[in-house]
Amino acid sequence: EAQVTQNPRYLITVTGKKLTVTCSQNMNHEYMSWYRQDPGLGLRQIYYSMNVEVTDKGDVPEGYKVSRKEKRNFPLILESPSPNQTSLYFCASRNGYNEQFFGPGTRLTVL
Amino acid sequence: AQSVTQLGSHVSVSEGALVLLRCNYSSSVPPYLFWYVQYPNQGLQLLLKYTSAATLVKGINGFEAEFKKSETSFHLTKPSAHMSDAAEYFCAVSGINTDKLIFGTGTRLQVFP
Repeated sequence: EAQVTQNPRYLITVTGKKLTVTCSQNMNHEYMSWYRQDPGLGLRQIYYSMNVEVTDKGDVPEGYKVSRKEKRNFPLILESPSPNQTSLYFCASRNGYNEQFFGPGTRLTVL
Repeated sequence: AQSVTQLGSHVSVSEGALVLLRCNYSSSVPPYLFWYVQYPNQGLQLLLKYTSAATLVKGINGFEAEFKKSETSFHLTKPSAHMSDAAEYFCAVSGINTDKLIFGTGTRLQVFP
């Protein structure tokens, strides 16, 4: 089944404790991205990647890092999480018809 | 620059009534336009998309949207609401030669029996 998977689905952590949210897609898509969803703000792009080893900032990149060492994986890294990064995070990959496929989401709470 | 405005953060309809969710866009280049649906505790699912072919686009679950360039609109409609349509709906825009997808703030649809 074609899909985007994210792990973990839920995470509660404390300020400053480094964490990684994994994202993997099995559709051989070149383009992948990370979004955060906050009430009243819709989805905002954090980072995106056009291909392996090619990444760039989206609209809200501060406090986040990404890497793209393999085509299928695009992890999101929070080196020192803060409470304002409490949010719902979505990974997505895009096909050649500009359709984005979203993962199920990761709900992160930073205390 | 591109942007999307969704009018109405909440829309309530009775089961069987017309659903109309509004979306206006701003784009300096010919746009691709999308509607996504998000059911509770799930990710976003593509409902339909406009990519400069037919202006009336039909999607899944009986939804359709019409691209009106003169009004810069891409409103989502469904003739008869069903209880299962209750969800949050997002309009999004991207340029033909760009990869970035810009989302609206979403409209939560409630359907009453």
